[in-house]
Amino acid sequence: GAVVSQHPSRVICKSGTSVKIECRSLDFQATTMFWYRQFPKKSLMLMATSNEGSKATYEQGVEKDKFLINHASLTLSTLTVTSAHPEDSSFYICSARVGSSGRPGEQFFGPGTRLTVL
Amino acid sequence: GEDVEQSLFLSVREGDSSVINCTYTDSSSTYLYWYKQEPGAGLQLLTYIFSNMDMKQDQRLTVLLNKKDKHLSLRIADTQTGDSAIYFCAESRSAGNMLTFGGGTRLMVKP
Repeated sequence: GAVVSQHPSRVICKSGTSVKIECRSLDFQATTMFWYRQFPKKSLMLMATSNEGSKATYEQGVEKDKFLINHASLTLSTLTVTSAHPEDSSFYICSARVGSSGRPGEQFFGPGTRLTVL
Repeated sequence: GEDVEQSLFLSVREGDSSVINCTYTDSSSTYLYWYKQEPGAGLQLLTYIFSNMDMKQDQRLTVLLNKKDKHLSLRIADTQTGDSAIYFCAESRSAGNMLTFGGGTRLMVKP
């Protein structure tokens, strides 16, 4: 199956610093990538949808200036958490979709990045 | 907005059947999905069902959909220890549209 990687898998940073998380589709080209945030014992919350070469579409309540998304190529999307604060500590997951092919709703998920802001 | 609800936890013995339930509120849901999340791995699509179907079987997996009650279930026959994971149900209005996930049900299979 299609593989999506994320880097880093864990990051600890000081409050006020910025953190970049990379999401890569390893063996396919992803026309669309999604970024989710997973809270403990709660569902994945979609943060934004990004299509290669265009601006990301953010969900309501997600600050686009705080969570910068760049989908520079068909295999790479990055999420930068700017001026991170402890409340940004969470598990961030990306997923990728291959155009209109594949099973309906099939997104290939990365393993996630655990962000801890001190 | 749309809401998808699941119970948090289910424990079964190896060899028994597991039934994971999910309810959703969006009457426009067209596709409903079951994803599996194993420790350290990304979510993996297990199966999906169109809203005009009421049942779908795929090997040990049986999906039942009651559209009137907006209730979806996943039955795993002959549950194995390798089935221990978190199972998420999700819905979308179209095949390429955004997914709305439930909170996940942690399935624990005891030997």
